[in-house]
Amino acid sequence: DQQVKQNSPSLSVQEGRISILNCDYTNSMFDYFLWYKKYPAEGPTFLISISSIKDKNEDGRFTVFLNKSAKHLSLHIVPSQPGDSAVYFCAARNFGNEKLTFGTGTRLTIIP
Amino acid sequence: DTGVSQDPRHKITKRGQNVTFRCDPISEHNRLYWYRQTLGQGPEFLTYFQNEAQLEKSRLLSDRFSAERPKGSFSTLEIQRTEQGDSAMYLCASSPPIAGNTGELFFGEGSRLTVL
Repeated sequence: DQQVKQNSPSLSVQEGRISILNCDYTNSMFDYFLWYKKYPAEGPTFLISISSIKDKNEDGRFTVFLNKSAKHLSLHIVPSQPGDSAVYFCAARNFGNEKLTFGTGTRLTIIP
Repeated sequence: DTGVSQDPRHKITKRGQNVTFRCDPISEHNRLYWYRQTLGQGPEFLTYFQNEAQLEKSRLLSDRFSAERPKGSFSTLEIQRTEQGDSAMYLCASSPPIAGNTGELFFGEGSRLTVL
């Protein structure tokens, strides 16, 4: 039962353009969402998060949008840089529950 | 180095053998997590400690798996009688006790297990 889905296994974007990574979830009890970035041979590193009481959160070049009615969130990276090439994981959590449920990841490649 | 440290980074073993992985969290992080990641999948939750207490355990954690955090600092994950299906990256993460934090977990680089 894949409660967090990232339907695009890969995405290629030209340097300087906007990268949009998508994530869908099925569990309506999720109330906190996070994005992690992973480089090869390294553990995932936290990027940005959003609470279900918000619909947008920004941090520099990164913005996460949450559409609760559609059970959909997206990560926007603008402008995209070569160092953004990595695998991006969407994750979700229930309030009061320490367990994070991850999606399968999207491999982002930024083309110079 | 103040990050999460895992040892060994890579372990190759024969089916039926026991293996143990160690995780040293960031100091003063009282929460410690174990996740497992297989090829093409995201990390899957295995278990969670708050200090030395194991508070949550996934159904993925069969009886062959045991995790400990005896003094609330480092943790070990032992797999007994390994099977080929246990081949995966085992990730440890920690987080601080600050209320209202972002929910961010700080991951180590992982311990890759290959069962032949």
